[in-house]
Amino acid sequence: QQQVKQSPQSLIVQKGGIPIINCAYENTAFDYFPWYQQFPGKGPALLIAIRPDVSEKKEGRFTISFNKSAKQFSLHIMDSQPGDSATYFCAASTRGGTALIFGKGTTLSVSS
Amino acid sequence: DAGVIQSPRHEVTEMGQEVTLRCKPISGHDYLFWYRQTMMRGLELLIYFNNNVPIDDSGMPEDRFSAKMPNASFSTLKIQPSEPRDSAVYFCASSLSVGTVGGYTFGSGTRLTVV
Repeated sequence: QQQVKQSPQSLIVQKGGIPIINCAYENTAFDYFPWYQQFPGKGPALLIAIRPDVSEKKEGRFTISFNKSAKQFSLHIMDSQPGDSATYFCAASTRGGTALIFGKGTTLSVSS
Repeated sequence: DAGVIQSPRHEVTEMGQEVTLRCKPISGHDYLFWYRQTMMRGLELLIYFNNNVPIDDSGMPEDRFSAKMPNASFSTLKIQPSEPRDSAVYFCASSLSVGTVGGYTFGSGTRLTVV
């Protein structure tokens, strides 16, 4: 499978900090880049998504930054809270029919 | 809607036994996906269906794995015979599209342990 490389594997921040999770891809045909959030014992849930025609998208405290030339995108969580502690997955797919390919995930812990 | 429903939530079986995982997708979703999650490999796509037809099964590890979707409201993933390396959390997801708007709705998963 074509890869989506995610880093870091784990991240610890204090409440109010701004954790940043990065992803890189190789396939230039990818045109949809979502982030999923997973809590223990649950399935991943869509958090926010971006298309390559924009460089940034914000939804509440969550922001995706997209750099098409570098083939990278990142998730920023503003004013992080203990309730944001979860595993975050980046993913990518193509409009032409490729199912979502996920990164390996980042376990975020926000301490109070 | 109750979301994507998977059963069982947990399964412990002995090596060599047959295991069947079940999934009920969200009504109206034309796409159904089976993923496997492990610490080492993350979330891997095993197979996906469109309108009950398998489209991409390139992620199925080997012939011991098979998946069916006899109708729009039910799918199974079968492992026969099971091996300890099959231990993982298996997720079913459904969506309106394969890779664009709307996102995938995942079930809560089946945690499979093969001893």
